[in-house]
Amino acid sequence: KNEVEQSPQNLTAQEGEFITINCSYSVGISALHWLQQHPGGGIVSLFMLSSGKKKHGRLIATINIQEKHSSLHITASHPRDSAVYICAVVVSGSRLTFGEGTQLTVNP
Amino acid sequence: EAQVTQNPRYLITVTGKKLTVTCSQNMNHEYMSWYRQDPGLGLRQIYYSMNVEVTDKGDVPEGYKVSRKEKRNFPLILESPSPNQTSLYFCASSAASYGTQYFGPGTRLLVL
Repeated sequence: KNEVEQSPQNLTAQEGEFITINCSYSVGISALHWLQQHPGGGIVSLFMLSSGKKKHGRLIATINIQEKHSSLHITASHPRDSAVYICAVVVSGSRLTFGEGTQLTVNP
Repeated sequence: EAQVTQNPRYLITVTGKKLTVTCSQNMNHEYMSWYRQDPGLGLRQIYYSMNVEVTDKGDVPEGYKVSRKEKRNFPLILESPSPNQTSLYFCASSAASYGTQYFGPGTRLLVL
Protein backbone atom coordinates (compact mmCIF):
# COMPACT_ATOMS: atom_id res chain seq x y z
CA LYS A 1 0.00 0.00 0.00
CA ASN A 2 1.33 3.43 -0.94
CA GLU A 3 2.01 5.91 1.82
CA VAL A 4 0.01 8.49 -0.11
CA GLU A 5 -3.27 7.59 -1.78
CA GLN A 6 -5.23 9.92 -4.03
CA SER A 7 -8.81 9.57 -5.21
CA PRO A 8 -10.21 9.52 -7.71
CA GLN A 9 -7.48 8.52 -10.18
CA ASN A 10 -9.45 10.01 -13.05
CA LEU A 11 -12.18 12.62 -12.96
CA THR A 12 -14.25 14.08 -15.77
CA ALA A 13 -16.43 17.11 -15.09
CA GLN A 14 -18.54 19.62 -16.95
CA GLU A 15 -17.52 23.23 -16.96
CA GLY A 16 -18.85 25.00 -13.89
CA GLU A 17 -18.96 21.94 -11.64
CA PHE A 18 -17.49 21.86 -8.13
CA ILE A 19 -14.60 19.39 -7.97
CA THR A 20 -13.00 17.61 -5.03
CA ILE A 21 -9.80 15.59 -5.11
CA ASN A 22 -8.81 13.67 -2.01
CA CYS A 23 -5.46 12.71 -0.54
CA SER A 24 -4.95 10.30 2.35
CA TYR A 25 -1.61 9.44 3.88
CA SER A 26 -0.46 6.87 6.39
CA VAL A 27 2.68 8.47 7.84
CA GLY A 28 3.42 11.39 10.11
CA ILE A 29 4.08 14.52 8.10
CA SER A 30 5.26 18.06 8.65
CA ALA A 31 3.50 19.51 5.61
CA LEU A 32 1.56 18.62 2.48
CA HIS A 33 1.81 20.03 -1.02
CA TRP A 34 -0.71 20.16 -3.82
CA LEU A 35 0.85 20.36 -7.27
CA GLN A 36 -0.57 20.81 -10.75
CA GLN A 37 1.02 19.18 -13.77
CA HIS A 38 0.02 20.72 -17.08
CA PRO A 39 -0.58 18.63 -20.21
CA GLY A 40 2.82 19.81 -21.46
CA GLY A 41 4.48 18.28 -18.40
CA GLY A 42 5.38 21.35 -16.35
CA ILE A 43 4.69 21.20 -12.60
CA VAL A 44 3.45 24.13 -10.57
CA SER A 45 3.00 24.29 -6.82
CA LEU A 46 -0.56 25.24 -5.83
CA PHE A 47 -0.49 25.02 -2.03
CA MET A 48 1.67 24.08 0.90
CA LEU A 49 -0.34 23.21 4.02
CA SER A 50 0.60 22.28 7.53
CA SER A 51 -2.83 22.90 9.06
CA GLY A 52 -6.26 24.29 8.32
CA LYS A 53 -7.29 25.72 4.99
CA LYS A 54 -5.90 27.88 2.21
CA LYS A 55 -7.65 29.58 -0.69
CA HIS A 56 -6.30 30.98 -3.93
CA GLY A 57 -8.80 32.16 -6.48
CA ARG A 58 -11.11 29.25 -7.28
CA LEU A 59 -8.90 26.73 -5.52
CA ILE A 60 -9.28 25.71 -1.89
CA ALA A 61 -7.12 23.23 -0.02
CA THR A 62 -7.83 21.78 3.40
CA ILE A 63 -5.95 19.42 5.66
CA ASN A 64 -6.97 17.42 8.72
CA ILE A 65 -3.78 16.30 10.44
CA GLN A 66 -5.59 14.02 12.93
CA GLU A 67 -7.41 12.17 10.16
CA LYS A 68 -4.36 12.21 7.83
CA HIS A 69 -6.43 13.60 5.00
CA SER A 70 -6.38 16.57 2.65
CA SER A 71 -8.74 17.77 -0.03
CA LEU A 72 -8.33 20.06 -3.02
CA HIS A 73 -11.49 21.79 -4.20
CA ILE A 74 -11.99 23.63 -7.46
CA THR A 75 -15.04 25.86 -7.65
CA ALA A 76 -16.65 26.80 -10.98
CA SER A 77 -14.34 24.47 -12.91
CA HIS A 78 -13.09 25.50 -16.34
CA PRO A 79 -11.51 23.56 -19.20
CA ARG A 80 -8.17 25.24 -18.43
CA ASP A 81 -8.23 23.42 -15.07
CA SER A 82 -7.69 20.15 -16.97
CA ALA A 83 -4.41 18.77 -15.63
CA VAL A 84 -2.97 16.18 -13.30
CA TYR A 85 -3.21 17.15 -9.62
CA ILE A 86 -0.60 15.63 -7.33
CA CYS A 87 -0.51 15.42 -3.56
CA ALA A 88 2.91 15.23 -1.89
CA VAL A 89 3.68 14.85 1.80
CA VAL A 90 6.81 16.03 3.59
CA VAL A 91 7.84 13.06 5.67
CA SER A 92 10.94 14.61 7.23
CA GLY A 93 13.23 17.46 6.36
CA SER A 94 13.16 17.64 2.60
CA ARG A 95 11.93 14.07 2.02
CA LEU A 96 8.81 14.15 -0.15
CA THR A 97 6.51 11.25 -0.98
CA PHE A 98 3.99 11.64 -3.76
CA GLY A 99 0.58 10.31 -4.65
CA GLU A 100 0.11 8.97 -8.15
CA GLY A 101 -1.95 11.92 -9.20
CA THR A 102 -5.52 12.61 -10.30
CA GLN A 103 -6.16 13.24 -13.98
CA LEU A 104 -8.84 15.93 -14.24
CA THR A 105 -10.64 16.66 -17.49
CA VAL A 106 -13.13 19.52 -17.60
CA ASN A 107 -15.32 19.55 -20.68
CA PRO A 108 -16.88 22.76 -22.05
CA GLU B 1 12.45 36.09 -13.57
CA ALA B 2 12.61 33.50 -10.78
CA GLN B 3 13.18 30.13 -12.33
CA VAL B 4 14.72 26.68 -12.23
CA THR B 5 16.43 25.63 -15.43
CA GLN B 6 17.42 22.16 -16.54
CA ASN B 7 19.60 21.03 -19.42
CA PRO B 8 19.26 19.21 -21.63
CA ARG B 9 15.49 19.02 -22.00
CA TYR B 10 15.65 15.89 -24.10
CA LEU B 11 18.39 13.30 -24.26
CA ILE B 12 18.80 9.98 -26.01
CA THR B 13 21.83 7.98 -24.97
CA VAL B 14 23.14 4.42 -24.86
CA THR B 15 23.69 2.10 -21.94
CA GLY B 16 26.86 2.85 -20.02
CA LYS B 17 27.63 6.28 -21.43
CA LYS B 18 28.04 8.71 -18.53
CA LEU B 19 25.80 11.74 -18.59
CA THR B 20 25.03 14.79 -16.49
CA VAL B 21 21.77 16.69 -16.28
CA THR B 22 22.29 20.19 -15.00
CA CYS B 23 19.94 22.11 -12.72
CA SER B 24 20.27 25.76 -11.78
CA GLN B 25 18.09 28.13 -9.75
CA ASN B 26 18.28 31.90 -9.43
CA MET B 27 16.24 32.32 -6.23
CA ASN B 28 19.06 31.75 -3.72
CA HIS B 29 17.21 28.71 -2.40
CA GLU B 30 18.99 26.44 0.05
CA TYR B 31 16.99 23.31 -0.72
CA MET B 32 17.14 21.45 -4.04
CA SER B 33 15.88 18.05 -5.12
CA TRP B 34 15.82 15.65 -8.03
CA TYR B 35 12.77 13.56 -8.91
CA ARG B 36 11.91 11.06 -11.56
CA GLN B 37 8.44 10.48 -12.93
CA ASP B 38 7.32 7.18 -14.42
CA PRO B 39 3.88 6.06 -15.62
CA GLY B 40 2.01 4.23 -12.88
CA LEU B 41 4.62 5.12 -10.27
CA GLY B 42 4.25 8.88 -10.12
CA LEU B 43 7.01 11.15 -8.89
CA ARG B 44 9.76 9.72 -6.72
CA GLN B 45 12.57 11.59 -5.01
CA ILE B 46 16.10 10.62 -6.05
CA TYR B 47 18.32 12.94 -4.00
CA TYR B 48 17.96 16.19 -2.15
CA SER B 49 20.30 18.83 -0.82
CA MET B 50 19.85 21.10 2.18
CA ASN B 51 22.77 23.38 1.36
CA VAL B 52 26.17 23.50 -0.29
CA GLU B 53 28.02 20.20 0.25
CA VAL B 54 25.00 18.70 2.10
CA THR B 55 23.08 16.02 0.24
CA ASP B 56 21.01 12.99 1.16
CA LYS B 57 19.29 10.08 -0.51
CA GLY B 58 15.65 10.05 -1.44
CA ASP B 59 13.58 6.98 -2.21
CA VAL B 60 15.34 5.85 -5.41
CA PRO B 61 19.03 6.91 -5.32
CA GLU B 62 20.52 3.77 -6.89
CA GLY B 63 22.43 4.51 -10.08
CA TYR B 64 22.57 8.26 -9.50
CA LYS B 65 25.04 10.71 -8.03
CA VAL B 66 24.66 14.37 -7.15
CA SER B 67 26.89 17.19 -6.03
CA ARG B 68 26.22 20.63 -4.58
CA LYS B 69 29.36 22.70 -4.88
CA GLU B 70 27.52 25.96 -5.42
CA LYS B 71 24.21 27.07 -3.99
CA ARG B 72 22.58 27.65 -7.35
CA ASN B 73 23.58 24.38 -9.07
CA PHE B 74 22.61 20.78 -8.36
CA PRO B 75 23.66 18.45 -11.19
CA LEU B 76 22.40 14.88 -11.50
CA ILE B 77 25.01 12.39 -12.69
CA LEU B 78 24.33 9.00 -14.20
CA GLU B 79 27.71 7.26 -14.21
CA SER B 80 26.55 4.21 -16.19
CA PRO B 81 23.00 4.71 -17.42
CA SER B 82 20.76 1.69 -17.92
CA PRO B 83 17.43 1.37 -19.76
CA ASN B 84 15.53 1.34 -16.45
CA GLN B 85 16.65 4.93 -15.95
CA THR B 86 14.59 6.01 -18.94
CA SER B 87 12.28 8.52 -17.35
CA LEU B 88 11.17 12.13 -17.01
CA TYR B 89 13.39 13.96 -14.54
CA PHE B 90 12.53 17.10 -12.59
CA CYS B 91 14.71 19.34 -10.51
CA ALA B 92 13.11 21.55 -7.86
CA SER B 93 14.18 24.12 -5.32
CA SER B 94 12.64 25.68 -2.23
CA ALA B 95 13.58 28.32 0.31
CA ALA B 96 12.71 26.14 3.31
CA SER B 97 12.83 22.41 4.00
CA TYR B 98 9.10 22.03 3.37
CA GLY B 99 8.53 25.29 1.55
CA THR B 100 6.90 25.85 -1.79
CA GLN B 101 8.63 23.78 -4.44
CA TYR B 102 9.68 25.46 -7.69
CA PHE B 103 10.10 22.91 -10.46
CA GLY B 104 12.28 22.96 -13.51
CA PRO B 105 10.74 22.17 -16.93
CA GLY B 106 11.82 18.54 -16.89
CA THR B 107 14.36 16.43 -18.80
CA ARG B 108 13.10 13.51 -20.83
CA LEU B 109 15.79 10.80 -20.92
CA LEU B 110 15.80 7.71 -23.10
CA VAL B 111 18.51 5.11 -22.48
CA LEU B 112 18.86 2.57 -25.27
